[in-house]
Parts: sequence; C-alpha cells; structure tokens
Amino acid sequence: EDKVVQSPLSLVVHEGDTVTLNCSYEVTNFRSLLWYKQEKKAPTFLFMLTSSGIEKKSGRLSSILDKKELFSILNITATQTGDSAVYLCAVTYRPGSARQLTFGSGTQLTVLP
Amino acid sequence: DAGITQSPRYKITETGRQVTLMCHQTWSHSYMFWYRQDLGHGLRLIYYSAAADITDKGEVPDGYVVSRSKTENFPLTLESATRSQTSVYFCASSEQGDLLTEAFFGQGTRLTVV
Repeated sequence: EDKVVQSPLSLVVHEGDTVTLNCSYEVTNFRSLLWYKQEKKAPTFLFMLTSSGIEKKSGRLSSILDKKELFSILNITATQTGDSAVYLCAVTYRPGSARQLTFGSGTQLTVLP
Repeated sequence: DAGITQSPRYKITETGRQVTLMCHQTWSHSYMFWYRQDLGHGLRLIYYSAAADITDKGEVPDGYVVSRSKTENFPLTLESATRSQTSVYFCASSEQGDLLTEAFFGQGTRLTVV
C-alpha cells in the first residue's frame, strides 16, 4: 500500500532556530513530490521536486529530494513566528496510475517569539 | 477571475439530507480532486477526475458521489449526510499530463452535519 509519512508530527521552536521537516514515501509510479504550507485556510504551494539532489530554494526555505532513499526534507532557516503552520508533503503519480495526489498527515510547526 | 472557487464556504445540514458542494476552476486543468481534512488525518482524497466524464475513487469515497460533465466543474454530493462527514472539504485542480503543475486549492467548505 502506498504511504507518505511525515515527521515529526509536531515541532515547537523559537524564532531564529533552523528546522528540518521530513517526508518519506513508498509509492509505485512516483512522479513528483510537492510541499505545501497550510495556515488556517487552503494549502499554499512551496516546492515541486522531480529530480534527486537538486535543491529548490525560496528565501529561507529550501527542499531536496532523494529518489534512491525515497525521502525529501524541507529546511527553514532563521525561523519567524509567521512560519508557524502545518507543512504538508504530497506525491504525484504518473498518468494512468491507480492512485493520485496523496498527502502525508503533515507537520505542525510552532515558532515561539 | 482566474482560479478555483468553492461554494458554499460554510454549510450546516441535518443528518440524512443531501448536500452538494460546488467546485469551479478557470484554468482548464484536466485533473480535479476532492479532499476532506480532519484533525489528525491530514488531507484524505475522496474522489478525483482525470478529465470530463472520467472519475475515480480515492481513499475515502463511501457516502459521496461526484460528476464531471464539464472540465471546469467538479461537484461533490453527500447523498445522505452523516455526522461523520462533518469536515472541511477542499477542492483542487492541476495538470498532470505532459505539463505537470502543482495542485491549486480552493478556499475550502466547512460542512457541519447536525
């Protein structure tokens, strides 16, 4: 059975800390891995990763995919209270696959001032 | 306006009633999805559609019906609402053919079944 597992489930840090969020997956017909940030509303897109070893970066956030070991990490440096959110990862499948866009259960990040 | 919109944003209904949640996207994305989000479960896929007139079950389809007669619309119907279907429902769309895009989400519908 396909699985997308995120860890930790929750994390509390102080402003300025660096955090690493993990997403591992066991799926057939993998195509890409997506990261989203969700505050008290709809998820907003952060990154799409399709190739191993190529870091995607946006400001203080960065992410990388390891297709051999089947995981991705999301790094946030110099955290701010505005980074507090649930971070979701999801996998997409090749067209024609029996499964589709599947999400992990998320990591709840709380950044304290 | 371009985007993906859901209606209604909030809905209270009684057990046993039929209720339909609407989803409309303006990008002509081929794929559309319905998720429910409950505390501790993340986003769980209810149904998805790869194109007009093509739909398929996701992880938690029981008690729901979908249709997709037009590319831009993907309504979700609860045929006989139950309290366990109280949840926040998100619709999403994306391209997953040769052009691969991320999934874009609607603002969600908070459904309460009393």
